[in-house]
Amino acid sequence: GQQLNQSPQSMFIQEGEDVSMNCTSSSIFNTWLWYKQDPGEGPVLLIALYKAGELTSNGRLTAQFGITRKDSFLNISASIPSDVGIYFCAGRGAGGTSYGKLTFGQGTILTVHP
Amino acid sequence: DSGVTQTPKHLITATGQRVTLRCSPRSGDLSVYWYQQSLDQGLQFLIHYYNGEERAKGNILERFSAQQFPDLHSELNLSSLELGDSALYFCASSVGAGVQETQYFGPGTRLLVL
Repeated sequence: GQQLNQSPQSMFIQEGEDVSMNCTSSSIFNTWLWYKQDPGEGPVLLIALYKAGELTSNGRLTAQFGITRKDSFLNISASIPSDVGIYFCAGRGAGGTSYGKLTFGQGTILTVHP
Repeated sequence: DSGVTQTPKHLITATGQRVTLRCSPRSGDLSVYWYQQSLDQGLQFLIHYYNGEERAKGNILERFSAQQFPDLHSELNLSSLELGDSALYFCASSVGAGVQETQYFGPGTRLLVL
C-alpha cells in the first residue's frame, strides 16, 4: 500500500532557527497536507496543498507540493517555543478506494530550546 | 477547539471486552473519518462515512465496525479487544467527501486494554 517516509524523525533546535522537514512517497498523491499535533490533542491542519509545484505560506510556515507529486516539504522560519510538537505530513489519493483517506507520515518531533 | 467532539476521553478495559467510541462531527459536516494512532503503526485510516453511508475502508480489523447515524454522529465499535488494540482513536469530520475537503480532528479517545 501507499507509504510516506517523513524525515527527520526528530529535531532539537534553538529558538530563532529555521526548520525544514520533508516527506516522500512511493506513489502519487493529489493532495499534500501538513498537520501539527500537541500532546493529548488531535492533529491540527497547518497547510493544505492541492497542485503539483504549489508553494503555500501560513505565517512563518511554508510548504511545497513536489513537482513529481511524490514529495512535499515544510519549512518553519524563526522558530519559537510554541512550535514544539509533532508535525505530520499526510497525502490523499485521487479516488476509488483511496477516496477521502489520508495516509500519514511517521511524524517529526520538534523540540525548541529557548 | 476543532468543533469535533469525542467521548469518552479515556477508556480502560480488559481483553475480550467490547467498547463503543462516539464522535460528533462539526455542525454541518456530513463526513466522518476514523483513525487509529499507535506507537508502532502511527496514524492509520480506518473508515470513512458520508451522510450515513460507508465511503472508504482502510486497515480496519473485522473485529471493528462503525456506523453513522441520521443525526450524523458516528460510533466505532471495537470487540474481542486485544492488548494491541490499545491506542488513540481519532475521529475527523469534513463538510463533504471531495478530495479537497479539510478534515478537522477531534481530541481523541485513549483506549487502554489490560
